[in-house]
Amino acid sequence: NAGVTQTPKFQVLKTGQSMTLQCAQDMNHEYMSWYRQDPGMGLRLIHYSVGAGITDQGEVPNGYNVSRSTTEDFPLRLLSAAPSQTSVYFCASSPGFHTEAFFGQGTRLTVV
Amino acid sequence: AQKVTQAQTEISVVEKEDVTLDCVYETRDTTYYLFWYKQPPSGELVFLIRRNSFDEQNEISGRYSWNFQKSTSSFNFTITASQVVDSAVYFCALILSMEYGNKLVFGAGTILRVKS
Repeated sequence: NAGVTQTPKFQVLKTGQSMTLQCAQDMNHEYMSWYRQDPGMGLRLIHYSVGAGITDQGEVPNGYNVSRSTTEDFPLRLLSAAPSQTSVYFCASSPGFHTEAFFGQGTRLTVV
Repeated sequence: AQKVTQAQTEISVVEKEDVTLDCVYETRDTTYYLFWYKQPPSGELVFLIRRNSFDEQNEISGRYSWNFQKSTSSFNFTITASQVVDSAVYFCALILSMEYGNKLVFGAGTILRVKS
């Protein structure tokens, strides 16, 4: 059972480039989320989804887009990368309302 | 607004010492859910415990125990007889019952270093 799989694990981008962070889960979870982790700030919610076709903004959505065309996949798009988006990104899924989240291994992104 | 505070940025202990990680939360909701996650040096996030606001019983799991006190809005985590493998960043987090989407609000985390 793979759980939550994120790709890539590491990425370096130049300012202004765009890219997509991939996230897939094989647990048939309805809830999926993207968080970013920055030193001293814990994890902050970027976008979330409560099912295929339904997404919404979290605490820090600016500069990011998401879509959820299937239950399994929840990609995060950086539209025009900025140095402030240098961070570690985590995708998570949950089986139900108020349940624990299962996290992917994270993607370490550096924008230069 | 909801908030989770982990005032201890970093704690260092010697193996076999007991250590308590503090977590204080703020919310006006009467129903909410509290979590602890562990992030070892390898970087993944590991779920440790979930507690709802109506269940104030303390919980013990092996060397881990959790003390939930609604009166002080705290959900503290104690590791008994710490081991080097306990070295990690520990996060406390909150979900509000009325919030749509399972949105976790995290504290800043506490770095625990256990020395042999």
